[in-house]
Amino acid sequence: DADVTQTPRNRITKTGKRIMLECSQTKGHDRMYWYRQDPGLGLRLIYYSFDVKDINKGEISDGYSVSRQAQAKFSLSLESAIPNQTALYFCASGGGGVETQYFGPGTRLLVL
Amino acid sequence: RKEVEQDPGPFNVPEGATVAFNCTYSNSASQSFFWYRQDCRKEPKLLMSVYSSGNEDGRFTAQLNRASQYISLLIRDSKLSDSATYLCAVVGNTNAGKSTFGDGTTLTVKP
Repeated sequence: DADVTQTPRNRITKTGKRIMLECSQTKGHDRMYWYRQDPGLGLRLIYYSFDVKDINKGEISDGYSVSRQAQAKFSLSLESAIPNQTALYFCASGGGGVETQYFGPGTRLLVL
Repeated sequence: RKEVEQDPGPFNVPEGATVAFNCTYSNSASQSFFWYRQDCRKEPKLLMSVYSSGNEDGRFTAQLNRASQYISLLIRDSKLSDSATYLCAVVGNTNAGKSTFGDGTTLTVKP
C-alpha cells in the first residue's frame, strides 16, 4: 500500500462550491505539506504543518484552508472554488530528521 | 529572481548519451539539496540527495558547488526510461523542513 494517499484522485466541481481534499500518511511523519502544480510549472507550497498544533501558510495560501486532524491526516479545503484553482494538488510528508519529502499520487481538480 | 532556478529544457538526447542539468539557488545559507524525478502528471519521487562531497548512484551523479550556488545532476548512458522531469529542491537554513522546488527540467531520451 502507498505510504501517502490522497482522496479523491480526480474531482470536477463548479465555481463557488466548497470542496475538501484529504491526505493520509502511514510513515509516522510529523511534517505534512500541500502543494499545487500547474502545467509547466513547479510545485508551489500552499500550507504546511510540522505537527498537529502547528499550521503555517505557504506562498499561495489565499483561497485555501487546512486542518491537521491527526498526525497522519492533513486536509485541504477550498472554501469557494474558482476556475484558477484548477490544478494538480499534491500532499507530502516528511520527518525522521531528514529533509526529504514523500508525495501522494495527487488530486486532479477541475473547477468549472 | 526565483529562489531556485532550473533550465526548463526540454533536453532531447539519444540513448546512451550523457546529459547534465544545473539548478541555481539564491540563498547562500541553504543547507540541504535534493533531486526529485517526476513522470508525466505523477508524483515527484526522491532521486537522490546532494552532498558537499558529491553523491553517485549508478549512472547518476549529483554535485554541489557552494561557491557558485548551484547543484548539478549528471546522467550517464541515458536510457529511454530516464525520460522524465527532474526537479531540484533546496532547504534554507532558516526554514528547516520546508523545501523550495525548481520548476523542473524535462528530459526526453530517444531511441
